[in-house]
This record gives sequence, structure tokens and C-alpha cells, in this order.
Amino acid sequence: EVLLVESGGGVVQPGGSLRLSCAASGFSFRSYWMHWVRQVPGKGLMWVARMNSDGSTRDYAESVKGRFTISRDNAKNAVYLEMNSLRGEDTAVYYCARESMVGAFLIDYWGQGTLVTVSS
Amino acid sequence: SSELTQDPAVSVALGQTVRITCQGDSLRSYHASWYQQKPGQAPILVIYGKNNRPSGISDRFSGSTSGNTASLTITGAQAEDEADYHCNSRDSSGTHLVFGGGTKLTVL
Repeated sequence: EVLLVESGGGVVQPGGSLRLSCAASGFSFRSYWMHWVRQVPGKGLMWVARMNSDGSTRDYAESVKGRFTISRDNAKNAVYLEMNSLRGEDTAVYYCARESMVGAFLIDYWGQGTLVTVSS
Repeated sequence: SSELTQDPAVSVALGQTVRITCQGDSLRSYHASWYQQKPGQAPILVIYGKNNRPSGISDRFSGSTSGNTASLTITGAQAEDEADYHCNSRDSSGTHLVFGGGTKLTVL
């Protein structure tokens, strides 16, 4: 069974930093591209970042480029999202998601999410 | 344009057929995927590609595209289909992923 478990969310002040983690199991993690997607409670989904299987390629949404960094540790079956210079509009549930091997950019599994609240 | 547009809310009578749409220029180049999300839960993939269903997804769900509009059709809607439905695809540049705003489906 594919399992993605996020952690690291919490309350942080504007301008602060936070590191999210996602522990993966139930599949060959080192073979898959991974994504982070966020959702303001009650609103739609917004793609944040994507990383290829060996960590050599990263893409970011314009709204987080230069502030967020996606990384992974294939030995630990984990993907991370380092978030700096946080703003109120970054408040959201952050989901870790797996990209299917069937098609590029096709997300087939999601974690349950971790809530990040940016507030003073 | 790199945006996808969905109607905020749609309703359907129990057992009837409903179509949820997603509009955007990128859909002329890339297929949409559709996700079902129930309150407090993570999204679940229900349709991808031309019209493909992952294992375990009911055959009540089907997908299609015409021009810049992708559609998710639920044939014989059931109470358990009440949920938010999100579409996504690559953006027009092909390098980013974009989502629609989501459609809240109510089964009456």
C-alpha cells in the first residue's frame, strides 16, 4: 500500500521558516518524481513544487520560487519542503504527492496533509 | 493562459447524470486529470488521460475533452459521490502543474 505521511506543520510568524517532511512507504520511492501541493482550507488546490527521482531537477510555482526549496533523501524514503520568508498567504494544508509513472505530471497518490499557519 | 476554470458548485438528483467542466487553454495540448476530495480527506484520482480510471474507481466516472474544455461525467450519481472535484493539467508551457478552483457537487 502506498503511504505518504507529512509532518512539520505548525504556526510560524511572518518572515519565519519551516521545514516540512514527507515519509513514503509501500513503493520504490527512488524511482518516482514527487510533488508538494497546498490548499487553503475551503479553497482549491495549488501546485507548489516538483522534484525528479534523483533530485537533479526541481520546478516551482512562481509564487514560491526563491523562498521554498524541495529536496529528497532516497536513502530515507523522504521528501522535504524548506519554506523561508513565509507570508500570510502561505497559510494552507500542504500535501506531499507522488507522480505516476503512467504520465508526466500525473499525481496518483496524496498524503493526508500538514497544516501550516503563518500568523503573528 | 495557464489557468483552469471550474464552476464553484453543481447539484444533481440522486441517480441522475451530472457533468462537471474545466476550461483552459492548456487543455488543447494536455489531458486533464480529475480528483475527488471529501471533507477532511486527501484528494483521490478518479480520471486521467483520455478517459482512464484507476483501479477501484467506479465506472460511473468518465472523462472527455472538447477543445479547451474537459468534462467529468458521473452517470447515476450516488450519495457517496457528494464531494469537491478538482481538475488539473500541465500549464501551457508544459513545465508547471495547474489546478482549477474546484467544484462542489451536491447530490440531492
